[in-house]
Parts: sequence; structure tokens; C-alpha cells
Amino acid sequence: TQLLEQSPQFLSIQEGENLTVYCNSSSVFSSLQWYRQEPGEGPVLLVTVVTGGEVKKLKRLTFQFGDARKDSSLHITAAQPGDTGLYLCAGAWGGTYKYIFGTGTRLKVLA
Amino acid sequence: ETGVTQTPRHLVMGMTNKKSLKCEQHLGHNAMYWYKQSAKKPLELMFVYNFKEQTENNSVPSRFSPECPNSSHLFLHLHTLQPEDSALYLCASSQSYRDPFSRSYEQYFGPGTRLTVT
Repeated sequence: TQLLEQSPQFLSIQEGENLTVYCNSSSVFSSLQWYRQEPGEGPVLLVTVVTGGEVKKLKRLTFQFGDARKDSSLHITAAQPGDTGLYLCAGAWGGTYKYIFGTGTRLKVLA
Repeated sequence: ETGVTQTPRHLVMGMTNKKSLKCEQHLGHNAMYWYKQSAKKPLELMFVYNFKEQTENNSVPSRFSPECPNSSHLFLHLHTLQPEDSALYLCASSQSYRDPFSRSYEQYFGPGTRLTVT
């Protein structure tokens, strides 16, 4: 069974702090996606990365795909309460539709 | 309506009931998916449809029966469920994975149906 491990599992920080969450696997992915899910809602796609070493920025969020395409990180600068949610990574192989989802990082940003 | 919609948003059913979940996408996609999200477990892919054809059944028990009458609609028919089937059921859609120019199939999710089996 292929697994995507995310760390940390839970994170509670104060508004204005920086944080990084990680997504790791022993598998090589052709693409990897990050989602944020709020309570009672479905996951919302934040970004897709497809090239090893790729870095994408979305306002205060910075996403990086590892050089070997086995891992990824999400860095949030100056976190805000609106960033609270469950962050999920999902990886796919060889241009298939079959994404494997990570275990998730539950983030809470306190005002 | 835009995006992916799901109805009902909440459902409570007994183990002997029959019910159906509905999903509709307004994105012009040709692939649709059912996922199960349980507490403390990663999102689990259940079924995939591409151009109305089922292309994936991820060893899902037969008490879950999907139906895809067209590329915009997806149903999940439920019967004789067990309490452990209680979960958030998510529908998603994407471009067809037959597109040779696409390296990733970005999935757009609906809000989910929170199912409780009593």
C-alpha cells in the first residue's frame, strides 16, 4: 500500500507566525496537489506541482515539490485565522487519475 | 449553480433503509469520482467514471452501488449499510484522464454528504 505521510498531524499556532507542513512518500509522483478543507466542506484545490524542484507561490503560501518528486512542503508566512483548516496532499503516478491522499495536517491559527 | 454540488448535505439512515446520494458538476468535466472520508483515515477513492463508464471500483462492498447516467451527474445508491459506513462522502470531477496533454487531473470536490448509519 502506497502511503503519503503528512507531518505534523496537528498544529496550533498564533496569528502572525510562520509554519511548514510536510508530505512524504517513498514513491515517485508525476504530480502532487495540495488541498485545504474546512469543517463541513469538501477539499478545495490550492496548487498542483508537476516538476521536481518546482516552487509555486500563492499569496502567503509557498509550495515546493522535492527534487526527486517524492515529497512536498507547504510554507505559510504570517498565518491568519482564515488559514485554519485541514491541509491535504495528494499524489498521482504516471499521468493517471488515481490520486492517493495524505493523512492530513490539521492547522488552527489563533487570533 | 457552479462547481460541484451534492445532495443531501446530511443523511441519517437505518441499516435496512435504501437511499441515494446525488452529485452534479457544472464544470464541463468528463470524469467523476466518489470518495469516502472517515475520521482519522485518509480520503479513500471508491469509484471512478470516465465518459459515463466505470473505470475503477476500489474493492467497495456491493451495498454501495454507483450510477452515472451522463457526464454531469453521479449517484451513489445505498442499501443495508453498516454503522461503520458512517462518513463524509465526497464527489469530485476532473477533466477526462484520456487527455494526452494533461499531466495532472485536477479534481474539484463537492461539499460532501455527511452520512450517519444508525
